[in-house]
Amino acid sequence: GENVEQHPSTLSVQEGDSAVIKCTYSDSASNYFPWYKQELGKRPQLIIDIRSNVGEKKDQRIAVTLNKTAKHFSLHITETQPEDSAVYFCAAVYVSGGYNKLIFGAGTRLAVHP
Amino acid sequence: NAGVTQTPKFQVLKTGQSMTLQCAQDMNHNSMYWYRQDPGMGLRLIYYSASEGTTDKGEVPNGYNVSRLNKREFSLRLESAAPSQTSVYFCASSGTGASEQYFGPGTRLTVT
Repeated sequence: GENVEQHPSTLSVQEGDSAVIKCTYSDSASNYFPWYKQELGKRPQLIIDIRSNVGEKKDQRIAVTLNKTAKHFSLHITETQPEDSAVYFCAAVYVSGGYNKLIFGAGTRLAVHP
Repeated sequence: NAGVTQTPKFQVLKTGQSMTLQCAQDMNHNSMYWYRQDPGMGLRLIYYSASEGTTDKGEVPNGYNVSRLNKREFSLRLESAAPSQTSVYFCASSGTGASEQYFGPGTRLTVT
């Protein structure tokens, strides 16, 4: 069935280190992979996304890579800062009855320690 | 441009009571969604509406009903609330096809 697995569930790093979060998906027809950041008590907000026709996308300290053959994609945050502390969700689009819907991973709680 | 708005922000219900959560978007999006997020958990899709006039079940539809009132508004109804429905409810909207979903601020619901 429709499934997105996300690892790790928690991640603790020192300020300035890099953080990597990995996701796998099951539907080979998926072609859109967004990443959302959710701060405590706030709504999820898109931070970066990638489509299946590219293998990597970068935006300042954040990058996402996609391996369609292996059906996995990853979020990379470099030079982490305390304000990067949040829960991060990956997602993959699934086609259902001709319409697209997103299925989310379970989330990764990132803690960046000064 | 308010984006996605939800009412109420907080609600406490007794078991068996009913209520409707309201959602509206002003981005002219075709698709709208309702999710629930339990403490420390991810987002689970309850229902979605790919376009005005259509609704479909998501991952956890039991105990809920929805109405796509028009292109702007998508409501979620709990007919007989249960403690297991204590959660934060997020509404979202997106344009046509695979694209970013914009989330509302959420409704924190407690059922005692």
